[in-house]
Amino acid sequence: EVQLVESGGGLVQPGGSLRLSCAASGFTFSSYWMSWVRQAPGKGLEWVADIKQDESEKYYVDSVKGRFTISRDNAKNSLYLQMNSLRAEDTAVYYCARPVTAYGMDVWGQGTTVTVSS
Amino acid sequence: DIQMTQSPSTLSASVGDRVTITCRASQSISSWLAWYQQKPGKAPKLLIYKASSLESGVPSRFSGSGSGTEFTLTISSLQPDDFATYYCQKYNTYRALTFGGGTKVEIK
Repeated sequence: EVQLVESGGGLVQPGGSLRLSCAASGFTFSSYWMSWVRQAPGKGLEWVADIKQDESEKYYVDSVKGRFTISRDNAKNSLYLQMNSLRAEDTAVYYCARPVTAYGMDVWGQGTTVTVSS
Repeated sequence: DIQMTQSPSTLSASVGDRVTITCRASQSISSWLAWYQQKPGKAPKLLIYKASSLESGVPSRFSGSGSGTEFTLTISSLQPDDFATYYCQKYNTYRALTFGGGTKVEIK
């Protein structure tokens, strides 16, 4: 079964850091781009970042540039999101997803919740 | 950056109604558009890709059309399971996989 499972969410103070993980299974992880998408409470979906198979290309939404870093470990079938200098507006459910050329995002995790509050 | 605008933001409809949601891109994205359905507390689910191709397992009452800058998602006969929020997303480039603002389909 193709599956993505996120972990690492939690409560963090403004200015703090958090590292999210996404464990992939059921497909050849190293063959796919991967993405992070977030959803603030009561709001819509927002693409956050994505990363190419070999990490040679990484892209971010403007609001997280310089604060968030996407990475992956193909040997561990894992995707990561290092989040630094967190702000209240980063509070959201964070999903990892598999974007496929010509298909869109065909596989999603269940999400992990990040709350930035003092 | 290309912006994606959905309308309406909320739609009230009854079971059996034909429902149409529109998504507009600020520049041409050819047919690189996907539609997703999301229910409360759940991850989004891919419905339509490449503007008009139905994802495997998705009921045929869902259809998509359009190209360039204007796209539509149509539900031919709304079913109780279809009350949810729908999002469009452009994927012409990995540099910005932008979503539309969403359309909530509510029970009338």
